[in-house]
Amino acid sequence: DAEITQSPRHKITETGRQVTLACHQTWNHNNMFWYRQDLGHGLRLIHYSYGVQDTNKGEVSDGYSVSRSNTEDLPLTLESAASSQTSVYFCASSDSAGFHEQYFGPGTRLTVT
Amino acid sequence: AQSVAQPEDQVNVAEGNPLTVKCTYSVSGNPYLFWYVQYPNRGLQFLLKYITGDNLVKGSYGFEAEFNKSQTSFHLKKPSALVSDSALYFCAVRPRRGSQGNLIFGKGTKLSVKP
Repeated sequence: DAEITQSPRHKITETGRQVTLACHQTWNHNNMFWYRQDLGHGLRLIHYSYGVQDTNKGEVSDGYSVSRSNTEDLPLTLESAASSQTSVYFCASSDSAGFHEQYFGPGTRLTVT
Repeated sequence: AQSVAQPEDQVNVAEGNPLTVKCTYSVSGNPYLFWYVQYPNRGLQFLLKYITGDNLVKGSYGFEAEFNKSQTSFHLKKPSALVSDSALYFCAVRPRRGSQGNLIFGKGTKLSVKP
């Protein structure tokens, strides 16, 4: 069965370190997204991609970057981790047409100390 | 600015009673409308969506949602709640024009179903 996976599921890192969160989908979807979920804020879009070599900034992109070298993967990099980036991160993917739902990964809980 | 409102942070229902989780939106045109559910320590799961046609949409786990264009609402409903329905519910919308895949999410409503 097709799926979307994230790794690691839990990560503790120190302020200032570079961190990369992996997202891999086997749906063959063109669209991929990264969100963060925080109490009181719901889900906020960090970055998104509509295809290979395409990346776009979302609502809360400062301090984050992504790259899309193939259809299956969209890794999220925190260039220099800050305590404000402690959060739960979700990756999602969808087909290109606007009426398609997004499929979400299980999430990565990141703690920056 | 385009937005989605879920006016209730929490909804409490007794098992067996009907439930409603409210959602209103401020998005131009006729957007696509979605409901997702999130169980503790899990990712979001798709429940149902409205694209066009009948205003009453049926989805997974016995849930349904009613689209009301004049009130710009898309309330989630279930005739008889189960304890296992307790979870966090998110409404989301996507404009039909200009945004290929981006969803605008509400902040979520916690549903608590008591035995």
